[in-house]
Amino acid sequence: SAVISQKPSRDICQRGTSLTIQCQVDSQVTMMFWYRQQPGQSLTLIATANQGSEATYESGFVIDKFPISRPNLTFSTLTVSNMSPEDSSIYLCSVGWAGGLAGALETQYFGPGTRLLVL
Amino acid sequence: DAKTTQPPSMDCAEGRAANLPCNHSTISGNEYVYWYRQIHSQGPQYIIHGLKNNETNEMASLIITEDRKSSTLILPHATLRDTAVYYCIPGFGNEKLTFGTGTRLTIIP
Repeated sequence: SAVISQKPSRDICQRGTSLTIQCQVDSQVTMMFWYRQQPGQSLTLIATANQGSEATYESGFVIDKFPISRPNLTFSTLTVSNMSPEDSSIYLCSVGWAGGLAGALETQYFGPGTRLLVL
Repeated sequence: DAKTTQPPSMDCAEGRAANLPCNHSTISGNEYVYWYRQIHSQGPQYIIHGLKNNETNEMASLIITEDRKSSTLILPHATLRDTAVYYCIPGFGNEKLTFGTGTRLTIIP
């Protein structure tokens, strides 16, 4: 397993501003993902953070709005840019390990989330 | 992605076994079945996963039907702290997980 921390844990922001969320893992991981959970909804994947290359975004999410960095195997950031009230959500990072033998532990673990309220 | 069907909500008496069903009839032959839960907007917590054999760990048991089209998560002795939304997710841990709407389980004192 892995211990995952996110900063900040919560924030209240003004529309038009940007917020950068950090995700730190206590061990090297292969995969890092960013999810969004809008109020009362389930989780939706924003993008896969790739170490050393551009993130892979899901349909409906673009780099200009959600730039992602992943400088190494234990850290990633997600920026929510030019925020509007519709961006009020919980943002979660998760981590996993690629490859391995069939049946090997391949489980994603989630951070505690960052609760964002945009006014 | 395989589609899942879970009851939107269930109640269970404290101390009894909670049995949460999931239908995943479109699961592919090599996809695992993962179960996560989310307690009051915390990050999802991994519970258990399996491929085709039944699995048990310290949290729960997972029963997968022989045709792999459905599974049941069993919490053997439910406590109030098990109140959460439970998600059944076919897939692979090293790829994106597609969350459905899950089952909101309420443990009744």
